[in-house]
Amino acid sequence: GIQVEQSPPDLILQEGANSTLRCNFSDSVNNLQWFHQNPWGQLINLFYIPSGTKQNGRLSATTVATERYSLLYISSSQTTDSGVYFCAVARRVRETSGSRLTFGEGTQLTVNP
Amino acid sequence: NAGVTQTPKFRILKIGQSMTLQCTQDMNHNYMYWYRQDPGMGLKLIYYSVGAGITDKGEVPNGYNVSRSTTEDFPLRLELAAPSQTSVYFCASSHGIYTYGAFFGQGTRLTVV
Repeated sequence: GIQVEQSPPDLILQEGANSTLRCNFSDSVNNLQWFHQNPWGQLINLFYIPSGTKQNGRLSATTVATERYSLLYISSSQTTDSGVYFCAVARRVRETSGSRLTFGEGTQLTVNP
Repeated sequence: NAGVTQTPKFRILKIGQSMTLQCTQDMNHNYMYWYRQDPGMGLKLIYYSVGAGITDKGEVPNGYNVSRSTTEDFPLRLELAAPSQTSVYFCASSHGIYTYGAFFGQGTRLTVV
């Protein structure tokens, strides 16, 4: 199956700092998503981005599908950005495979006031 | 619009007991999924369904069963609970294979003692 590697595994920032999280994947994909898991365990869908660049407020993401990586940018970080950021990918194998996401192990982000 | 709803939120089971985790979605999504998340790890796919009456195994199906009698509901059955099934369980749904990505419920935290 597809391998997903995220880096760094842990990141500690001061409020207001910028950061870049990376996701490498081992095969071509049709689906790539970034999630934020907050301290209460809830998974929030940040971006659906199998290719290209998207922005949503202070967050943006870029996926370079041909080079098999995606980047998540967080600018002017806030304490509420703390949590785990997951990259998940899927590759359509057959009609019935759906979006069978394979998750990376996440980046644990801590933003200190 | 409730999205994906899971019940219960928390449960403690004794070894050998059985239970059903409920999942329902009101977005008319064809695809539904069950994942488990062990502490400090990413999510792993247990089972998925591409429509009513159609289910298939994911990466870690042993010890679980599913059914999909309606578009809305996708219950996960644990038979003969074991301590290795202590985890947080997430249900998700998606409209299509590629569009919009998957949306997750709030999770069920299960402890087997």
